[in-house]
Amino acid sequence: DTGVSQDPRHKITKRGQNVTFRCDPISEHNRLYWYRQTLGQGPEFLTYFQNEAQLEKSRLLSDRFSAERPKGSFSTLEIQRTEQGDSAMYLCASSLPGGGYTFGSGTRLTVV
Amino acid sequence: LAKTTQPISMDSYEGQEVNITCSHNNIATNDYITWYQQFPSQGPRFIIQGYKTKVTNEVASLFIPADRKSSTLSLPRVSLSDTAVYYCLVGDGNSGYALNFGKGTSLLVTP
Repeated sequence: DTGVSQDPRHKITKRGQNVTFRCDPISEHNRLYWYRQTLGQGPEFLTYFQNEAQLEKSRLLSDRFSAERPKGSFSTLEIQRTEQGDSAMYLCASSLPGGGYTFGSGTRLTVV
Repeated sequence: LAKTTQPISMDSYEGQEVNITCSHNNIATNDYITWYQQFPSQGPRFIIQGYKTKVTNEVASLFIPADRKSSTLSLPRVSLSDTAVYYCLVGDGNSGYALNFGKGTSLLVTP
């Protein structure tokens, strides 16, 4: 297993466009997390899955954001009608219950 | 979730031992303390986790006093490559609640 993979690594999009990011967690990990990080700040929690169930969502996750984890495997994070304030690094992590998080390298989104 | 407080930044010379202290006064009985390291343009990397007393691995040591209201990450003989941001997180990983990162401590190691 090569760890947590995120695709794409970088994404530049025009304001108002929709974007989708993918995360492939470590296969044995049943928990998957999405975080967002802006420059100089720590990662901010967005949402969390246990298997295919989305169990927790942050208030940061506006109705323009949606996340899925079909069949409890990979996950996607979609942002509709992107805004400049959405520019950030989007990080995905996976874990076993009680275990430390393994993070991917992130997807850097730039909205122009 | 327990709130954590740690210094914004620290400086050290190569070869020195660095101790970063994190305060978590309202830690709950089931909470563990976990430290992560993050380099620019990378995701955070798990360093060490503990519940009480002392935990040591090949990278660092974690000291937790009896009252568990604080913890200290100890990095022995730091090198330039230890320059990074270090985050202290407190939470019950078994509960299913995701952990929150604060702003972390930015460690700069110089020759």
